[in-house]
Amino acid sequence: AQKVTQAQTEISVVEKEDVTLDCVYETRDTTYYLFWYKQPPSGELVFLIRRNSFDEQNEISGRYSWNFQKSTSSFNFTITASQVVDSAVYFCALRGPSGGSYIPTFGRGTSLIVHP
Amino acid sequence: NAGVTQTPKFQVLKTGQSMTLQCAQDMNHEYMSWYRQDPGMGLRLIHYSVGAGITDQGEVPNGYNVSRSTTEDFPLRLLSAAPSQTSVYFCASSYVGTGARGTEAFFGQGTRLTVV
Repeated sequence: AQKVTQAQTEISVVEKEDVTLDCVYETRDTTYYLFWYKQPPSGELVFLIRRNSFDEQNEISGRYSWNFQKSTSSFNFTITASQVVDSAVYFCALRGPSGGSYIPTFGRGTSLIVHP
Repeated sequence: NAGVTQTPKFQVLKTGQSMTLQCAQDMNHEYMSWYRQDPGMGLRLIHYSVGAGITDQGEVPNGYNVSRSTTEDFPLRLLSAAPSQTSVYFCASSYVGTGARGTEAFFGQGTRLTVV
């Protein structure tokens, strides 16, 4: 069975602060895929990043960075110099390589509030 | 490309009524799924399909039916609506990659359903 835990329910920061969203996962698959999605107040789900289990290289995209560590089963997401527009619910998701495990399992989400 | 299209965007039902939420994708994706989103619960899988003619239950299937007669369409039927089914519903689709390849799930805009 797959499981994704986002222990932080809500995070509140002031603009320009750095913030890290935690994601811990469980899976028996040796090949798997991890994702982060953003859900702004408008409600749509916006894909941010995918990471394969065999690629532990960390990634930076502008103010966003992701730290994937298989040893701790974590895939954390950091926003540097947060902005009000970053206010959203962020979901971490995991899926396996085939069959029913191919359908993503989502964490409960972390609500990020960035105050001006 | 339209991507994943869900209709309607909003719906109010009376307890006991039935209805169908429509979902269509034009990306020729094999996998399609339905999630419901409730406050603090993240996205929970209702039903999914790995191809035309094949469906299976997810985490919260009770009260819902699905069918997949074509690759493009994956409707979700509420048989007898209950207030507990008040939620936001998302349809998603994804491509089946070969070997280590895979893609993220593409989501529709969501349907906000209220059962009174």
